[in-house]
Amino acid sequence: GDSVTQTEGLVTLTEGLPVMLNCTYQTIYSNPFLFWYVQHLNESPRLLLKSFTDNKRTEHQGFHATLHKSSSSFHLQKSSAQLSDSALYYCALARNNYAQGLTFGLGTRVSVFP
Amino acid sequence: AQTIHQWPVAEIKAVGSPLSLGCTIKGKSSPNLYWYWQATGGTLQQLFYSITVGQVESVVQLNLSASRPKDDQFILSTEKLLLSHSGFYLCAWSLEGGRYEQYFGPGTRLTVL
Repeated sequence: GDSVTQTEGLVTLTEGLPVMLNCTYQTIYSNPFLFWYVQHLNESPRLLLKSFTDNKRTEHQGFHATLHKSSSSFHLQKSSAQLSDSALYYCALARNNYAQGLTFGLGTRVSVFP
Repeated sequence: AQTIHQWPVAEIKAVGSPLSLGCTIKGKSSPNLYWYWQATGGTLQQLFYSITVGQVESVVQLNLSASRPKDDQFILSTEKLLLSHSGFYLCAWSLEGGRYEQYFGPGTRLTVL
């Protein structure tokens, strides 16, 4: 079945340093749809990025990701972390059975310190 | 513009008591609807999904049930709460077809004592 694997656990970093969160996926579908969601404390998840085009960079709010079908990856990056980037990040894959929605990874918690 | 509303915002309930949580979508007809549960600090666990009125599919039940009585309404319920039901309940919608991003409601925080 479909699955998503993310950088595990907690990522801590200093403000101003780059961020990279890994996401790899498994699916039998040849045209996967991938998403990144961000969830701040006591809030609900919010869509950050999405892509279904191979090797095309997608950007939003300083974050970017590129879907690479050859390596089944959709890593999230930011060149300079801000304190407000501290949150829980989820990578998600649209299921092969469309109606079932998305398969989410376990989430990566990011803590940015001054 | 589409809006998604969940009620109540928060709930404190006793073990063994019944529960009903609601979700309403406005501004979009025939959306796909989803219920998720999130333990405190934990990952998202999809519980149910529905593609049309009266039709609900279970992903993980956790002694909960769901219903879709109207096109824009999704209800999550149980007759007897367990301590393990505590957490954050999220309703989400996506465009018909399901192969698109999901948009989450504000959530309901449930504490079972």
